[in-house]
Amino acid sequence: GQQLNQSPQSMFIQEGEDVSMNCTSSSIFNTWLWYKQDPGEGPVLLIALYKAGELTSNGRLTAQFGTTRKDSFLNISASIPSDVGIYFCAGNFGNEKLTFGTGTRLTIIP
Amino acid sequence: DVKVTQSSRYLVKRTGEKVFLECVQDMDHENMFWYRQDPGLGLRLIYFSYDVKMKEKGDIPEGYSVSREKKERFSLILESASTNQTSMYLCASSFLTPGANVLTFGAGSRLTVL
Repeated sequence: GQQLNQSPQSMFIQEGEDVSMNCTSSSIFNTWLWYKQDPGEGPVLLIALYKAGELTSNGRLTAQFGTTRKDSFLNISASIPSDVGIYFCAGNFGNEKLTFGTGTRLTIIP
Repeated sequence: DVKVTQSSRYLVKRTGEKVFLECVQDMDHENMFWYRQDPGLGLRLIYFSYDVKMKEKGDIPEGYSVSREKKERFSLILESASTNQTSMYLCASSFLTPGANVLTFGAGSRLTVL
């Protein structure tokens, strides 16, 4: 099946810092999604990307669909305490089932 | 507010017990999914359904079965629970089209098998 490498696995940052994470696929996708999971809750969709090169923002979050169609990036600017959680990328091609990354756990150090 | 509701947030069962995890969505979605989430492994698809009484195996169906008798309800069944099925179980749903990939998740059911 599809392989998604998500990195980093975990991040420890101070409040106010910017955050970058990425996902790489073993094959091309035509959809990339980014989800966030708060502690004790289910994942919630943050951003959906449908076109190579697309750059989409949602508040302090910005995600990009890589031009190779095999990668995607998520940036968070000026992190705040409520950004804590696990961030998942997900993607697919055509009618294939979504493949999820293994997640990036974000912790904010006081 | 649209929702996917998982009735049991926390369960503790014994090895060999039959376990039912229930999921209900109120968005009239055609697709429903069951995933399990384990640290370092991300979300892995167990089963999914595109229609009532229809089911398809996902990536890790062994030891599980499902039931979809009504459009809004999708149940995950562990016929004989084992300790390696201790996990967080997530239900999700989506429209068939458009946006079939955009899943709405429930809050999860954390199952511990002793």
